[in-house]
Amino acid sequence: EDKVVQSPLSLVVHEGDTVTLNCSYEVTNFRSLLWYKQEKKAPTFLFMLTSSGIEKKSGRLSSILDKKELFSILNITATQTGDSAVYLCAKRGNFGNEKLTFGTGTRLTIIP
Amino acid sequence: GAGVSQSPSNKVTEKGKDVELRCDPISGHTALYWYRQSLGQGLEFLIYFQGNSAPDKSGLPSDRFSAERTGGSVSTLTIQRTQQEDSAVYLCASSLGPGLLGDTQYFGPGTRLTVL
Repeated sequence: EDKVVQSPLSLVVHEGDTVTLNCSYEVTNFRSLLWYKQEKKAPTFLFMLTSSGIEKKSGRLSSILDKKELFSILNITATQTGDSAVYLCAKRGNFGNEKLTFGTGTRLTIIP
Repeated sequence: GAGVSQSPSNKVTEKGKDVELRCDPISGHTALYWYRQSLGQGLEFLIYFQGNSAPDKSGLPSDRFSAERTGGSVSTLTIQRTQQEDSAVYLCASSLGPGLLGDTQYFGPGTRLTVL
């Protein structure tokens, strides 16, 4: 089954809190896992993960992939109201299967 | 251009009419993708173009949907005899092409299609 599952579906926290968003998948043979932030219509790229156990970091955001347990997490520390968005996780198939398979996303709301 | 552009940004049409949605990818990107996002749903793959190769049409939901890419750049997604269930945001993305560097897809702002 080529499925990507994200949890929680929605999350409401106060500004300054730290959040962890989860992405799990079922197919082991894939090439990369990507995270996007969607505020209005266009998803904007955050991270691409290809190797297990190597953390990618950008400011207050970080992400890691666990290929053995088939999941990835996205962490956001010291959240700000501008972090409010839908966060999408997507899996890229192996060579020859170029499409992204997306989860339904986690809607994050930051309360000032 | 600096990013992927799409037009129109919004389209309202009547059931049964045909619509054309346009995508202009990032200059130099050889791969182009169409996705759609229905209300409350994740992005659903529709079609993929890579250079001059035959497109991957495996995600098109019915034969009312078609797409073409002229000159390896601009793409048009056509929906014939639109139905209300076609209402969604249609997103276009482009990337550098096959291979790991092309895994990152950059998205346009989308076209919101409403079928009355």
